[in-house]
Amino acid sequence: KQEVTQIPAALSVPEGENLVLNCSFTDSAIYNLQWFRQDPGKGLTSLLLIQSSQREQTSGRLNASLDKSSGRSTLYIAASQPGDSATYLCAGNQGAQKLVFGQGTRLTINP
Amino acid sequence: DAGVTQSPTHLIKTRGQQVTLRCSPKSGHDTVSWYQQALGQGPQFIFQYYEEEERQRGNFPDRFSGHQFPNYSSELNVNALLLGDSALYLCASSFTGTGNTIYFGEGSWLTVV
Repeated sequence: KQEVTQIPAALSVPEGENLVLNCSFTDSAIYNLQWFRQDPGKGLTSLLLIQSSQREQTSGRLNASLDKSSGRSTLYIAASQPGDSATYLCAGNQGAQKLVFGQGTRLTINP
Repeated sequence: DAGVTQSPTHLIKTRGQQVTLRCSPKSGHDTVSWYQQALGQGPQFIFQYYEEEERQRGNFPDRFSGHQFPNYSSELNVNALLLGDSALYLCASSFTGTGNTIYFGEGSWLTVV
C-alpha cells in the first residue's frame, strides 16, 4: 500500500528566501508525481507533474525533482513571496489516474 | 475554457440524510474521480468513473455511490450521513491514461450536524 509523507508539516520563512519542501513515498512503482497548491478553504491547483521517466520539472520559480529509487520528491521555491503562502500537497499516481496524497506542508511567507 | 466545476459550494445536512454533489469535468476530459478531504488532512480517493462505469474504488463504504453521465459529468451520493462525513469533497478530471495532469475543482463543503 502506497504511503506518502510530507515533511515538515508546517514551515514559516521570511520573504525572499529559497526553500525546499519534501515528499517521500513507500512504493516506487508510481507512474508520475504531481505537486499541488491549496489555499485555505479552496480546491487544489496543479503546479507541476513529473513523469516517472523524468527527474525534474520547472515552472517559473518552482522546480520539482523526482528520485524513484529513493522514493523522494522535492519542491524548490525560489525567492519566496507572501503570495506563495498556502498548503502544498504532493501526490503519487498509482496508475489509472488514482492519486495518493501526503498530508501537506503548510507554508507561511512572512513579509 | 472552464475548469472543473462543482456544486453546491457549501451545504449543511442532518445525520441520516442523503446528499448529492455534482461535478462537471474540464472540457474534453473523460475521467472523473472523487476525493474526500477532512480538515488538516490530504485528500482520500473515493472512486473513479470512466465511460459511465466505476473503474476504481477506495476504502469507502457502500453508502458512497456515484454516477457518470454521457456528457462525462458526475454525481457523488452519500446516504445515511454520519458526523464523520463532514469534509471537503473534491472532484478531479483528466483524460484517460496515466501520464496526464489531473485537475481539481474548488470542492463542496459538507457539514453534517
